[in-house]
Amino acid sequence: DVVMTQSPLSLPVTLGQPASISCRSSQSLVYSDGDTYLNWFHQRPGQSPRRLIYKVSNRDSGVPDRFSGSGSGTDFTLKISRVEAEDVGIYYCMQGAHWPWTFGQGTRVEIK
Amino acid sequence: QITLKESGPTLVKPTQTLTLTCSFSGFSLSTRGVGVGWVRQPPGKALDWLALIYWDDDKRYSPSLRSRLAITKDSSKNRVVLTMTNMDPVDTATYYCAREWWEQPDYWGQGTPVTVSS
Repeated sequence: DVVMTQSPLSLPVTLGQPASISCRSSQSLVYSDGDTYLNWFHQRPGQSPRRLIYKVSNRDSGVPDRFSGSGSGTDFTLKISRVEAEDVGIYYCMQGAHWPWTFGQGTRVEIK
Repeated sequence: QITLKESGPTLVKPTQTLTLTCSFSGFSLSTRGVGVGWVRQPPGKALDWLALIYWDDDKRYSPSLRSRLAITKDSSKNRVVLTMTNMDPVDTATYYCAREWWEQPDYWGQGTPVTVSS
């Protein structure tokens, strides 16, 4: 299985300040069609995951533009330009290039 | 509007078989490119994919659980069923179903908790 490694695992942030989460995969996530299948999800306590970003940098409908994804190959980053209170929770990266799809361990974002 | 909802028992005994149903609306599992899968999350832990079924009846299973899983679809009733045999306390988790669009999960159900205990 492809191992997804996130860092940090815990991220205390100040409201209005930026935040960044790193995700590394044990294999390239470039699929045979040329696309890179790396997704980012946000999970609030007691809720199901919500997809924020697909194929590295594409924001899902309704996702605020303060969220952005970047990266290539095996190294990826999720950035929040200015953290808001509703952004707390756990963020997961997930690869969809090699079955079984696999998630990172999760990064818990909390407000300082 | 796309929605998915999981249903099934909240408590099963060790060695029993778990049967979960994902009922969905707002899309068709007969449409090219569509799939429905199952993901579980043990308490306080990360997410793990279990199985997927696609519009063309292609099926995928987690290699580590393949021998215990079966996934089927009823496109006419907008349902996907997952069965997991020989349940163990380590299988205690919240089980989610999710829609896939061209092999990328987008919409998720609310999840259903399952506890395995005698």
